[in-house]
Amino acid sequence: GQQLNQSPQSMFIQEGEDVSMNCTSSSIFNTWLWYKQDPGEGPVLLIALYKAGELTSNGRLTAQFGITRKDSFLNISASIPSDVGIYFCAGLDTGNQFYFGTGTSLTVIP
Amino acid sequence: DSGVTQTPKHLITATGQRVTLRCSPRSGDLSVYWYQQSLDQGLQFLIHYYNGEERAKGNILERFSAQQFPDLHSELNLSSLELGDSALYFCASSLLSPGFGGAFFGQGTRLTVV
Repeated sequence: GQQLNQSPQSMFIQEGEDVSMNCTSSSIFNTWLWYKQDPGEGPVLLIALYKAGELTSNGRLTAQFGITRKDSFLNISASIPSDVGIYFCAGLDTGNQFYFGTGTSLTVIP
Repeated sequence: DSGVTQTPKHLITATGQRVTLRCSPRSGDLSVYWYQQSLDQGLQFLIHYYNGEERAKGNILERFSAQQFPDLHSELNLSSLELGDSALYFCASSLLSPGFGGAFFGQGTRLTVV
């Protein structure tokens, strides 16, 4: 099935650094979602975006719905060790189909 | 704890068999989503139910079926199992449809087909 192009695949950063990751699609999406998944757990919804250009924050996390409706960005500021995990983007297309990104594995070095 | 309960947590079965995975959504949530997560395919959307009705189908094989009951719990039935069906199966629930895609995920059922 279709998957969104998510980059980077993995990141190794120092504690306190900012993180950016993004997701792109060849199709127009009506909704963009960002999830975090810890080992052995289900994904946890971080941020949901519903309008092109929308910028939404959740604590140190900020995500944007791209103007073209074909991309989205997630930024994490001042990373801490508990930010470690796999981050997934997901999008809802005009046919109510969900597609997930391939994930970005984040490692935070204390 | 997301409030979404999936049973069983682990399941080991032989090829050709049939299994049923169960999901109890959060209290009050009307939407239930099923997903499959495997190493080679990543996270794949399978199917979405809202208040007992099928709303959207994703990459769900014909050997798989699902339903949502009047009490809103849902079951995913997998039949004629193949080795490639081994994966983590997640259920997620949300109040609205479709919008969220499942804001609250269960811990998943790990299916191993041998």
